[in-house]
Amino acid sequence: QKEVEQDPGPLSVPEGAIVSLNCTYSNSAFQYFMWYRQYSRKGPELLMYTYSSGNKEDGRFTAQVDKSSKYISLFIRDSQPSDSATYLCAMSDNQAGTALIFGKGTTLSVSS
Amino acid sequence: DGGITQSPKYLFRKEGQNVTLSCEQNLNHDAMYWYRQDPGQGLRLIYYSQIVNDFQKGDIAEGYSVSREKKESFPLTVTSAQKNPTAFYLCASRGIFRGNEQFFGPGTRLTVL
Repeated sequence: QKEVEQDPGPLSVPEGAIVSLNCTYSNSAFQYFMWYRQYSRKGPELLMYTYSSGNKEDGRFTAQVDKSSKYISLFIRDSQPSDSATYLCAMSDNQAGTALIFGKGTTLSVSS
Repeated sequence: DGGITQSPKYLFRKEGQNVTLSCEQNLNHDAMYWYRQDPGQGLRLIYYSQIVNDFQKGDIAEGYSVSREKKESFPLTVTSAQKNPTAFYLCASRGIFRGNEQFFGPGTRLTVL
């Protein structure tokens, strides 16, 4: 079983839809959870960062972490064509400086 | 502007040649990382460094080498021993007193001819 599982998609939605992106993981030691957005041929951009469990909201984006289920989600409200990108989840344990473990990314396309 | 720069953006290499990819940051971050990204593979860790003059191998270090002589710089050399070097290479950094979030540069696309 891979440490981090993420459905690669592609996921296609109309403009204005609510998008749900998810990752599951197997390592119960993971404490830091991140979502990155990557446009084609560009470096990943940090979107959301969460420590331990709970929800975090930033504008149209909401990140949720359910450690009991080993499941994290990113919700995008009122999706826009500019949200079309690949979304990568990433996580790490509590040790300082440890490398991130990434999902393979989900490709999202929002049509106008 | 603070950030991470990578150069060149595109790099072409003949088989048997070593090439060096540049990564520079002015964020005063202590830790720096190199990842390789292949289609459908996600990001895989090559090397990382938490402090000047020290670095550790990641999951796929074979055929690569790094140095960390300055806090701001973490160059990656792709040697001729790397069997399949064509990929998108990403450099990242992290502040040592922050959480574990990393910030990425724009990447270098390496193609072997």
